[in-house]
Amino acid sequence: DAGVTQSPTHLIKTRGQQVTLRCSPKSGHDTVSWYQQALGQGPQFIFQYYEEEERQRGNFPDRFSGHQFPNYSSELNVNALLLGDSALYLCASNLFRGTYNEQFFGPGTRLTVL
Amino acid sequence: AQTVTQSQPEMSVQEAETVTLSCTYDTSENNYYLFWYKQPPSRQMILVIRQEAYKQQNATENRFSVNFQKAAKSFSLKISDSQLGDTAMYFCAFTQRDFQGAQKLVFGQGTRLTINP
Repeated sequence: DAGVTQSPTHLIKTRGQQVTLRCSPKSGHDTVSWYQQALGQGPQFIFQYYEEEERQRGNFPDRFSGHQFPNYSSELNVNALLLGDSALYLCASNLFRGTYNEQFFGPGTRLTVL
Repeated sequence: AQTVTQSQPEMSVQEAETVTLSCTYDTSENNYYLFWYKQPPSRQMILVIRQEAYKQQNATENRFSVNFQKAAKSFSLKISDSQLGDTAMYFCAFTQRDFQGAQKLVFGQGTRLTINP
């Protein structure tokens, strides 16, 4: 049973560039959430996708956008990168009406903005 | 808005000792779930234990147990017979119980736990 996978593992970009991160949910899951984890901090919720639509959004600017595909995989796009966007980006998946709202996490993508 | 607070940035104990990590939260909701997640240096966030707010009985998973005090909005994690593999960042997290679907997780700042040989 494949867990949540993310690509790439690491990424280095310069200020002003755009980046796309990818996530494949755990088998059987239909909902994907994205979190940003700054160094030494807890993860912060960016947004959640279900049925190819953004269902919830955290306190992040419009530079952060996403997409969910019919196979439930998801992308996170960040435009006009800032130094402060350097972080570990975590993807989590779950079943929309599953018990406990339990989310399973991927290993993350480490983004460094220079 | 819900908030989660972990007041212990770092803790260190000897192998085989018992350690308790603290967590408090603030919410006006009555139905919710609480979690403890472990994040080792490999970065993969792993669920350690969960607690349903409407259940009075404290959750237990092998060496891990919680002390859930709903009125005090407190949710501590106890690790018994600690092992070197327990060394990790531990995050307390909250999510609303919503029959319409999944909700976001709200995390605390984390506690870095080191188990010394």
